[in-house]
Amino acid sequence: GDSVTQTEGPVTVSESESLIINCTYSATSIAYPNLFWYVRYPGEGLQLLLKVITAGQKGSSRGFEATYNKETTSFHLQKASVQESDSAVYYCALGSNYNQGKLIFGQGTKLSIKP
Amino acid sequence: EAAVTQSPRNKVTVTGGNVTLSCRQTNSHNYMYWYRQDTGHGLRLIHYSYGAGNLQIGDVPDGYKATRTTQEDFFLLLELASPSQTSLYFCASSDVGNTEVFFGKGTRLTVV
Repeated sequence: GDSVTQTEGPVTVSESESLIINCTYSATSIAYPNLFWYVRYPGEGLQLLLKVITAGQKGSSRGFEATYNKETTSFHLQKASVQESDSAVYYCALGSNYNQGKLIFGQGTKLSIKP
Repeated sequence: EAAVTQSPRNKVTVTGGNVTLSCRQTNSHNYMYWYRQDTGHGLRLIHYSYGAGNLQIGDVPDGYKATRTTQEDFFLLLELASPSQTSLYFCASSDVGNTEVFFGKGTRLTVV
């Protein structure tokens, strides 16, 4: 079936250090998978951080990057230098191009930044 | 700005109780969704709809009903609530195709 697995949390990183949150997916019933990173700040709903709909492409937003790797079925989230404001829960998700609200989510990774 | 509003934000009910969670979107979107989020599971799709009067089954529908009364309003109904339905519920809306999805802030439901 379709599934998403991401780094188990919680993760703590010191401010200005680099970050990677791993995400791998299995898309057996989706012909052309779209991949997403969503973020949820405390007390807020999920917000789209970045998305990539074509294998081999990279998405970026707010200093975060992720590359859609079809060979390794991965979509890892990276940031070179984190800030305290990056503290949040990050979700990797898999969807189709036709209906991008019908998503398969990873379990979420809670990120805390140490000042 | 696109908006999805959920009510109530917090709810406590007893086992066997009847609960309705409400969601309203002002985005003129066709699609609306109900997800639940539990520790260790991420968000899982309960039901969704692509228009007033339409209902589609998601991945974890057991124990839930839903109704889309208008384009704006989507309700999730728990007619015999059980402790296993204690969760954080998110509503979302989107349009067809390659468009952004907007989420509400969530409703925390506790069944005691």
